[in-house]
Amino acid sequence: GENVEQHPSTLSVQEGDSAVIKCTYSDSASNYFPWYKQELGKRPQLIMDIRSNVGEKKDQRIAVTLNKTAKHFSLHITETQPEDSAVYFCAASIRGSARQLTFGSGTQLTVLP
Amino acid sequence: DTAVSQTPKYLVTQMGNDKSIKCEQNLGHDTMYWYKQDSKKFLKIMFSYNNKELIINETVPNRFSPKSPDKAHLNLHINSLELGDSAVYFCASSLSASGGTGELFFGEGSRLTVL
Repeated sequence: GENVEQHPSTLSVQEGDSAVIKCTYSDSASNYFPWYKQELGKRPQLIMDIRSNVGEKKDQRIAVTLNKTAKHFSLHITETQPEDSAVYFCAASIRGSARQLTFGSGTQLTVLP
Repeated sequence: DTAVSQTPKYLVTQMGNDKSIKCEQNLGHDTMYWYKQDSKKFLKIMFSYNNKELIINETVPNRFSPKSPDKAHLNLHINSLELGDSAVYFCASSLSASGGTGELFFGEGSRLTVL
């Protein structure tokens, strides 16, 4: 089955700096890569996803990149703000849907004021 | 209107007891899931139902029994609770049919504490 590794497990940045979280996956058939954000005590929520026919996707301060050859994908947050503090999960799916998502182990991002 | 709702939100019980968590979604989705999130925040899928039929059943003790009376509801019953069952259990749903985006919608979670 699919195996998703996520690094780092914790990340602290100063407000205004950038944060990068990286994930690798094992199954070359995976074609859907979502990122979820979970604030303390809340539910995980989708913040952005990317499919295998796209190399990069960006929306304001958030961007995700995908390198299918190397089987890794990344989340980039620029100009970080305290409200970006949360646990971020990457995931991969071989069916292009939520049905067979394999999650990474999560990254606790702390943005220091 | 809450899209995916689960009850109870908190559950504290003794070892050996039996408990249930209920989940309902009003999004018209055809697939529902149970995830377990342990103290290290790892999200692990337990079960998935599509149109009331079990499609994913990960390696979970048979003390855990899901039940889907209809495609809008997925309940989780746990027998003979053990200390290691303490976790947050998330219900989720998605639309897998044509037109679905692949997004998982999670409930608020049910924090189970076994004493």
